[in-house]
Amino acid sequence: DAGVIQSPRHEVTEMGQEVTLRCKPISGHDYLFWYRQTMMRGLELLIYFNNNVPIDDSGMPEDRFSAKMPNASFSTLKIQPSEPRDSAVYFCASSLGTSGTDTQYFGPGTRLTVL
Amino acid sequence: GESVGLHLPTLSVQEGDNSIINCAYSNSASDYFIWYKQESGKGPQFIIDIRSNMDKRQGQRVTVLLNKTVKHLSLQIAATQPGDSAVYFCAENMNRDDKIIFGKGTRLHILP
Repeated sequence: DAGVIQSPRHEVTEMGQEVTLRCKPISGHDYLFWYRQTMMRGLELLIYFNNNVPIDDSGMPEDRFSAKMPNASFSTLKIQPSEPRDSAVYFCASSLGTSGTDTQYFGPGTRLTVL
Repeated sequence: GESVGLHLPTLSVQEGDNSIINCAYSNSASDYFIWYKQESGKGPQFIIDIRSNMDKRQGQRVTVLLNKTVKHLSLQIAATQPGDSAVYFCAENMNRDDKIIFGKGTRLHILP
């Protein structure tokens, strides 16, 4: 298996623009997680899905952030409009089952820079 | 590389020596703990885990120790190699919840 796939790997955009990050989880995994990593806050969980359904989005910072999972093999995280403070590395992870029993596998991340 | 934290605590260890990375977890109800390794430019990678009914678990060159009394977790790496240079995160899970909470991380630097 290729592991969790994320695209793009790097994104540079200007403030106010829409940004869409993409993730393909490991085939057969029922859980998908979106994280954000910054120097100040470390690794934060933004939202996670179980069987394509959003379960907990309490980590999503603002209404500017939204995430979808239209099918088992694809998810997007959208920021609209983007702001400089959104600059971070965004990771997608997937797991076979709940995190209490199964390992989360992380993608390589998308490094977002908002100018 | 990725910005994993310029202000992380750093542990410098001579190549070949053993290293111990410590973590204090926050929730006494947590019952599952995981160590992740993050190399520059990559996502976190699972190393080893331990459940609260154990106090020690060994893997290949790594050992995790759990002290529930003081809510402390440690990762021991034997005979460190240059490839062990990375940021190490502990994470905790409570009552088989769907999610895990990550700690701030420790940077391990291997000296030649």
